[in-house]
Amino acid sequence: ELKVEQNPLFLSMQEGKNYTIYCNYSTTSDRLYWYRQDPGKSLESLFVLLSNGAVKQEGRLMASLDTKARLSTLHITAAVHDLSATYFCAVKTSGSRLTFGEGTQLTVNP
Amino acid sequence: ETGVTQSPTHLIKTRGQQVTLRCSSQSGHNTVSWYQQALGQGPQFIFQYYREEENGRGNFPPRFSGLQFPNYSSELNVNALELDDSALYLCASSRGTGGWYEQYFGPGTRLTVT
Repeated sequence: ELKVEQNPLFLSMQEGKNYTIYCNYSTTSDRLYWYRQDPGKSLESLFVLLSNGAVKQEGRLMASLDTKARLSTLHITAAVHDLSATYFCAVKTSGSRLTFGEGTQLTVNP
Repeated sequence: ETGVTQSPTHLIKTRGQQVTLRCSSQSGHNTVSWYQQALGQGPQFIFQYYREEENGRGNFPPRFSGLQFPNYSSELNVNALELDDSALYLCASSRGTGGWYEQYFGPGTRLTVT
C-alpha cells in the first residue's frame, strides 16, 4: 500500500525566511502533485511534476521531484503572509487515484 | 476556479440517517472521483466512476455508494451515518481514467453528523 509522508506537519516561519517541505512516498509513481488548501476551502492545484528531476516554479514556490529517492520538495523563498495555508502532496497510483500526504500547515508570521 | 460544482455546501445530519451529495463534472470530463477529508487530515480516496460504472474503490465500507449519470454528474450516498463520517467531501473530475489526466476539484460539501 502506498504511503505518502510529509514533514514537517506544522511550520511556523517569519516573513522573508526560506524553508522546505518534504514529501516522501513508498512506491514507484511517475506523477506527483502539490496542492494548497485554505481553511474551509477546496484544493488548489499548484504543481504537477511528471518526471525525475522535474523542477517547477511559481512565484515564491518551487517544487522538485526525485523519483529515484521517491522524494519531492516544496521550497518557499522569502515567505509572505499570503502563503499561510495547508500544503498537500499527492501521488498518483492506479488509474487516476491520488494518495495524499497528511499536509503541512504553514503559518507565516510578520 | 474549476468548472466542478458540488451541492449542498453544508449539511447537518443525525447519526443513523442517510445523505446524498452531488457533483457536476467539468465540461468534457467523463470521470468523477470522490474523496473524504476529515478535519486535520489529507483527503482519502473513496471511489471513482467512469462512464457510469464504478472504477476503483478505496478502503470504505459498503454503506458508501455512488452513482454516475449519463451526463457524467455523480452522487455519493452514505447510509447509516456515523459521527466519524463528519468531514469535507470533495469530488474531482477528469477527462479519463488514465494517470496523465489531471483531476479538477470542486469546492466540497461539509457534512456534520451529530
